[in-house]
Amino acid sequence: NAGVMQNPRHLVRRRGQEARLRCSPMKGHSHVYWYRQLPEEGLKFMVYLQKENIIDESGMPKERFSAEFPKEGPSILRIQQVVRGDSAAYFCASSEGIAGGRNTGELFFGEGSRLTVL
Amino acid sequence: GNSVTQMEGPVTLSEEAFLTINCTYTATGYPSLFWYVQYPGEGLQLLLKATKADDKGSNKGFEATYRKETTSFHLEKGSVQVSDSAVYFCALDSGGYQKVTFGTGTKLQVIP
Repeated sequence: NAGVMQNPRHLVRRRGQEARLRCSPMKGHSHVYWYRQLPEEGLKFMVYLQKENIIDESGMPKERFSAEFPKEGPSILRIQQVVRGDSAAYFCASSEGIAGGRNTGELFFGEGSRLTVL
Repeated sequence: GNSVTQMEGPVTLSEEAFLTINCTYTATGYPSLFWYVQYPGEGLQLLLKATKADDKGSNKGFEATYRKETTSFHLEKGSVQVSDSAVYFCALDSGGYQKVTFGTGTKLQVIP
């Protein structure tokens, strides 16, 4: 499957634990986005990354949340000391870079990682 | 900054009814416009797109026309089916290094 792969699909954590969500973009894609979706709500932008760079993290809480997209390997969204309010579906999307490093706009989404905090 | 405004949902229609979901945008320059669809329990997938003014995107019976004069990209379908029940997201990309901007989504429920 050459699509965007997210894992785990489902993750259960107790309050105070850490959650790590992984995203492997489509082959050849160098841009990754992370979004959060609460039940019955829309998509909230969190962070936009290129390989080894954070381009826009304006949607990510300043504390407990971090994201990376290393030169090798998947993008990681890390949530430290999780709280019940972090329970949500986290979607990753990737897009193809074009000349100059800009993105092409069309996003390909993974099936999401559903985090439940007990 | 860029923004996308969609009509509030949920929208409930009977099978074979006509569908319109409104979308208007604010952006600098000449953005590309998209409609994405999210079926229950799944991620989003691209439904259609238009990259310049007056372009019409179409797919699976859905259409949307890029109207620069009214900054709109309304989604339409002449005859909806139960299988069209999903959440529909309007989005724009103004190019460069800015993130793709999504609307809040409109939930469509089609009843037999």
